[in-house]
Amino acid sequence: DARVTQTPRHKVTEMGQEVTMRCQPILGHNTVFWYRQTMMQGLELLAYFRNRAPLDDSGMPKDRFSAEMPDATLATLKIQPSEPRDSAVYFCASGSGQGRTGELFFGEGSRLTVL
Amino acid sequence: QKEVEQNSGPLSVPEGAIASLNCTYSDRGSQSFFWYRQYSGKSPELIMSIYSNGDKEDGRFTAQLNKASQYVSLLIRDSQPSDSATYLCAVSGMNTGFQKLVFGTGTRLLVSP
Repeated sequence: DARVTQTPRHKVTEMGQEVTMRCQPILGHNTVFWYRQTMMQGLELLAYFRNRAPLDDSGMPKDRFSAEMPDATLATLKIQPSEPRDSAVYFCASGSGQGRTGELFFGEGSRLTVL
Repeated sequence: QKEVEQNSGPLSVPEGAIASLNCTYSDRGSQSFFWYRQYSGKSPELIMSIYSNGDKEDGRFTAQLNKASQYVSLLIRDSQPSDSATYLCAVSGMNTGFQKLVFGTGTRLLVSP
């Protein structure tokens, strides 16, 4: 059963702490996305990789957020230092990268609470 | 102006009725349009895609696209309580990159028995 796996599912931390979220995309998918979802803003794209290369991270606050794909089976999103306004659900999604298809497969999300 | 706009709802319909969900987008270069469904506490899942003007039907779902008006809609016929969820409109295209989806904030649908 192919699926996107995200860890941790829930994270509560204190302001100023480092947070690392991990994602294992579906095997064979070559595009990986990090989205953040809040009630007010909805789903916001933070970063986008194709074949492990970052294509777009314009939605990510550069001073505290970083996203990487050390290999094809792992994508990471790091926040350092974390702030209360970073509290949200962070979704990783992967896609086959072919044609016009917009079928992205989402992980179950990482719910982050920064106190 | 947001790139993709949806009424947040909730849209309440009785079981068996037609639910009509609407979405407008600002980028005229958008070429691909999608509807995702998200149950409370769950992740979004794709239910419909449409690329050309007109209607596209899949079971109880019909997606409608009007590029001239920059308008996309989703009709759900014979609505069921299990359809109660948030429906997210997403677009992509040349200006954004075909696989880079821009999402609306979603419309919450409530179907009452």
